[in-house]
Amino acid sequence: ETGVTQTPRHLVMGMTNKKSLKCEQHLGHNAMYWYKQSAKKPLELMFVYNFKEQTENNSVPSRFSPECPNSSHLFLHLHTLQPEDSALYLCASSQGQGAYGYTFGSGTRLTVV
Amino acid sequence: DAKTTQPPSMDCAEGRAANLPCNHSTISGNEYVYWYRQIHSQGPQYIIHGLKNNETNEMASLIITEDRKSSTLILPHATLRDTAVYYCISNIEGQNFVFGPGTRLSVLP
Repeated sequence: ETGVTQTPRHLVMGMTNKKSLKCEQHLGHNAMYWYKQSAKKPLELMFVYNFKEQTENNSVPSRFSPECPNSSHLFLHLHTLQPEDSALYLCASSQGQGAYGYTFGSGTRLTVV
Repeated sequence: DAKTTQPPSMDCAEGRAANLPCNHSTISGNEYVYWYRQIHSQGPQYIIHGLKNNETNEMASLIITEDRKSSTLILPHATLRDTAVYYCISNIEGQNFVFGPGTRLSVLP
């Protein structure tokens, strides 16, 4: 139990579908993050939320739309994705933005067909 | 871009100590050194961090050189379950973590 739960674990979607990834943390952290990890590549930071406010959008295409309704929940809404968007999407949280001890979820393995 | 450099891969015999080096020659005085590891297709896991002094916890030891330009993560008795990608990151609080390619450690039976 990592304290950060991501659902679903696996997702296959067509290019015209709309789906959402969910992340939930029960650690009392204030900052939450979305990272993307493509095959054989380092983790890429996508979005950062601190106290529910988006503080960073790392030039992510608009087909990825994050939502942070409260400090415990983070969503990534997906629409009209491309096959190259297939990757492992990881959520993380920390006490403060950039604070030590990021806790990661197990990720959602996304395949776009 | 990551501010640290690590060898792309290393092997270690099971039961032996695994010593993973990291170069952070441009580290500033208030930047910490963090180590995470990622077992295949899982989220990265925090291992240890330090500023100047050597650190030890139940998972590993961190040795930081006196000039702070490099460090070594030591897994004292590597097991097969320690096979993973190990990331060394230098960061200050308030900045987002940037992950490099890390070192792929293979623990061999």
